[in-house]
Amino acid sequence: GAVVSQHPSWVICKSGTSVKIECRSLDFQATTMFWYRQFPKQSLMLMATSNEGSKATYEQGVEKDKFLINHASLTLSTLTVTSAHPEDSSFYICSAVQANLAKNIQYFGAGTRLSVL
Amino acid sequence: QKEVEQNSGPLSVPEGAIASLNCTYSDRGSQSFFWYRQYSGKSPELIMSIYSNGDKEDGRFTAQLNKASQYVSLLIRDSQPSDSATYLCAVLRTNAGKSTFGDGTTLTVKP
Repeated sequence: GAVVSQHPSWVICKSGTSVKIECRSLDFQATTMFWYRQFPKQSLMLMATSNEGSKATYEQGVEKDKFLINHASLTLSTLTVTSAHPEDSSFYICSAVQANLAKNIQYFGAGTRLSVL
Repeated sequence: QKEVEQNSGPLSVPEGAIASLNCTYSDRGSQSFFWYRQYSGKSPELIMSIYSNGDKEDGRFTAQLNKASQYVSLLIRDSQPSDSATYLCAVLRTNAGKSTFGDGTTLTVKP
């Protein structure tokens, strides 16, 4: 299957700082990438859909000024959690859909565990 | 009604048994169906995809799709303790751009 790399895998930061998470498709081009958040023992929650070269589409209730998404190329999307607070502590997961394939399979990165002190 | 429904479980089976995981969906326009496995603390991993009615087998896994009944299932034969995980059903409507995920079924395989 296709490989999606997500970095960092784990980050601890102080309250008020910003954290950037990178999501890369290593062996394919991704027209669309998705960002999810997951709290312990809860379901995946889609935060936003990121399309290369255009603004991200955020799900209802997700603050776009808080969670900045940039999809600058067909292989890279970034999520920046601005002015992070303890309630932003969660498991953030990206996924990517391979371009030019009608089957639209989503491949997931390994996730980033964010802890805000 | 949720777009994709799964029994939350937990589903517990003894080692060596068949585990049966079920998923129903509401959108009749759905064309692609996926099963992901998620171990605790890890991200989801694709294990099966199915696009047409019937069965699709891959090793110990069999996905079954019935579009008329809007039902997709995953069978795991000869279940192993290492199969213990949460299994997510995902459904995609063609040209929708994104899959809709169920909340997952937690499977425990007891030695």
